[in-house]
Amino acid sequence: KQEVTQIPAALSVPEGENLVLNCSFTDSAIYNLQWFRQDPGKGLTSLLLIQSSQREQTSGRLNASLDKSSGRSTLYIAASQPGDSATYLCAVPLAPARQLTFGSGTQLTVLP
Amino acid sequence: GAGVSQTPSNKVTEKGKYVELRCDPISGHTALYWYRQSLGQGPEFLIYFQGTGAADDSGLPNDRFFAVRPEGSVSTLKIQRTERGDSAVYLCASSPQGRQQETQYFGPGTRLLVL
Repeated sequence: KQEVTQIPAALSVPEGENLVLNCSFTDSAIYNLQWFRQDPGKGLTSLLLIQSSQREQTSGRLNASLDKSSGRSTLYIAASQPGDSATYLCAVPLAPARQLTFGSGTQLTVLP
Repeated sequence: GAGVSQTPSNKVTEKGKYVELRCDPISGHTALYWYRQSLGQGPEFLIYFQGTGAADDSGLPNDRFFAVRPEGSVSTLKIQRTERGDSAVYLCASSPQGRQQETQYFGPGTRLLVL
């Protein structure tokens, strides 16, 4: 059974800091890894999807890396802003299933 | 274009009642997923549809839960004899063809509270 762990559970940083969120998974037989953002009381917004053959993906101030062999992914946020405050979730589909297995998320607060 | 929509946004019911939750996926998406999210946790898979058929219902917790997608678009999640432990946010997602390499697009969720 795939288990996905996210550390830390919560993080508070001052505006402008660069930060890293961590995600680990127990079974490396994944097709891809996806990072989502969830605002309070809202659904999930997809941020980045890294295919298993890729090492990293970038979108604006976000950079996600994937190391399948070690079962780890990181989400790097550069020059954090108060608007980045949200819960960040990582998720993987375990082959051959389509459904995603999620971590519990990291709740990020960026202080102005 | 329109994203995934879910209705109602909030539902309060009494223990033992029957509820229906609706999901409208992105137009043209053949794959539809239901997840359940408890407070402070990530979403947990319930059921996956490919077209009209339930391709995988292994996440449904028991036989009180049932879902349909009769025309391959809108889906309804049905919960019979609701229990307080069913209180959670029920999320729906869709993807174009149900391939593993696709992004899943999520709706805003239905917040169910069973009193």
